[in-house]
Amino acid sequence: AQTVTQSQPEMSVQEAETVTLSCTYDTSESDYYLFWYKQPPSRQMILVIRQEAYKQQNATENRFSVNFQKAAKSFSLKISDSQLGDAAMYFCAYRSAGGSQGNLIFGKGTKLSVKP
Amino acid sequence: KAGVTQTPRYLIKTRGQQVTLSCSPISGHRSVSWYQQTPGQGLQFLFEYFSETQRNKGNFPGRFSGRQFSNSRSEMNVSTLELGDSALYLCASSLGTGLNSPLHFGNGTRLTVT
Repeated sequence: AQTVTQSQPEMSVQEAETVTLSCTYDTSESDYYLFWYKQPPSRQMILVIRQEAYKQQNATENRFSVNFQKAAKSFSLKISDSQLGDAAMYFCAYRSAGGSQGNLIFGKGTKLSVKP
Repeated sequence: KAGVTQTPRYLIKTRGQQVTLSCSPISGHRSVSWYQQTPGQGLQFLFEYFSETQRNKGNFPGRFSGRQFSNSRSEMNVSTLELGDSALYLCASSLGTGLNSPLHFGNGTRLTVT
């Protein structure tokens, strides 16, 4: 069975600085998808970024980028120019390529605080 | 366009009772998934419905059930509630089930079992 591990329960960053959240996963599959979701206090999960395992190029969405290391099964999220609104729980998630979009395996999350 | 709507937002029930949670997906979305979120176990997949058919089911006891109606609205039911069922229940919808159909989550229903 696939597992997703986020080893940092909490992280803190100064406004305008850069922070990297770690995620590792375990799978025997060669094709899969990885996601980062953000959950602010409003509780609504919001998709931040996604990565297809077959793509070597790291995904980027504005201030958010990933470092995808397939051999190491590592998928970290970098947030540049951190803003107060980035404060939230961040979840890393895995989806089998043959699975459906609704069936994701989530890590336990990292709580990110942003200091003004 | 209205987002995913979950009702009620908060619910308090007693052990042994049953509960029904509702989820209205974004208009046009045909796929609905449910997740249970607890501090200890994190987010766990419950089930997924597409066009009124259950496509996937997570590793939960039979006390947890769900259904989807012809208008894509979904309900989940938990019977014989246990204290451990206290959690945030999240619903997510998508147009379809492929990667190009990203999940849109609701604000969840916070269930407390006493």
